Amino acid sequence: DARVTQTPRHKVTEMGQEVTMRCQPILGHNTVFWYRQTMMQGLELLAYFRNRAPLDDSGMPKDRFSAEMPDATLATLKIQPSEPRDSAVYFCATMHRSTYGYTFGSGTRLTVV
Amino acid sequence: KNEVEQSPQNLTAQEGEFITINCSYSVGISALHWLQQHPGGGIVSLFMLSSGKKKHGRLIATINIQEKHSSLHITASHPRDSAVYICAVQDGGTSYGKLTFGQGTILTVHP
Repeated sequence: DARVTQTPRHKVTEMGQEVTMRCQPILGHNTVFWYRQTMMQGLELLAYFRNRAPLDDSGMPKDRFSAEMPDATLATLKIQPSEPRDSAVYFCATMHRSTYGYTFGSGTRLTVV
Repeated sequence: KNEVEQSPQNLTAQEGEFITINCSYSVGISALHWLQQHPGGGIVSLFMLSSGKKKHGRLIATINIQEKHSSLHITASHPRDSAVYICAVQDGGTSYGKLTFGQGTILTVHP
C-alpha cells in the first residue's frame, strides 16, 4: 500500500528550539495538507499546497510557523521558536489528483517542554 | 465555516451489537469522510461519500445531502472496533479538499 511518510514520529524539544517536520507525499497525490490535533481543539487545518503552490496557511501562527514544499516529494512544517502550546500531533495528509481520495501520515507527536 | 456535529460523543457497546454514529453539518460540501483513529495511532480513512451509501465489510456509511446528515453503522461490533470515529466534511469550489472535522465519537466495545 502507498503511504504518506512523516518524520520524525516523535519529537521532544525545549522551548525556543526550532522544530522541522517532514512529509513525503504519495506519488500522484497533488495536494498536501498539514493538520494539527490537540485534545482541546481536535483536528485543525494549518496549511495546504496544490501542485506545490501554497493555497492557504491561514490556520498557522505566521510569526513562528512556516510550511514549504521544496519539491514534489517533500513537504516541511517548521516551528521557530517552539512553545509549549505547540505540543500536539501534526498530521500530513495527501489527496489524489483525480479520485480525491485522502491518505493520512502516521503523524509527528511533538512535545515542547 | 462549516459546523460539524457528531453524536454521540461517547458510545459503549457489547460485542455483537449494532452501532450507529451520526454526523450533521451546516454548509454544502463536495464529500464527507469517515475516519478511524485508534489510541495513540494514526488516522485511517474508512469512507469518502458524496451521495448514497457505501459498504465495506461490517461497516456501512450513508449520506443524505439534502438533510446534511451522515451515519456510520457497524454491524456485529467487535472489541477491535474500539477507536475514535471522526466525521470530516470536504470543501468544494476553489478550496476543494480542505477538511473540517467533527469532535469525534469514542467507541468502546466490550467482549
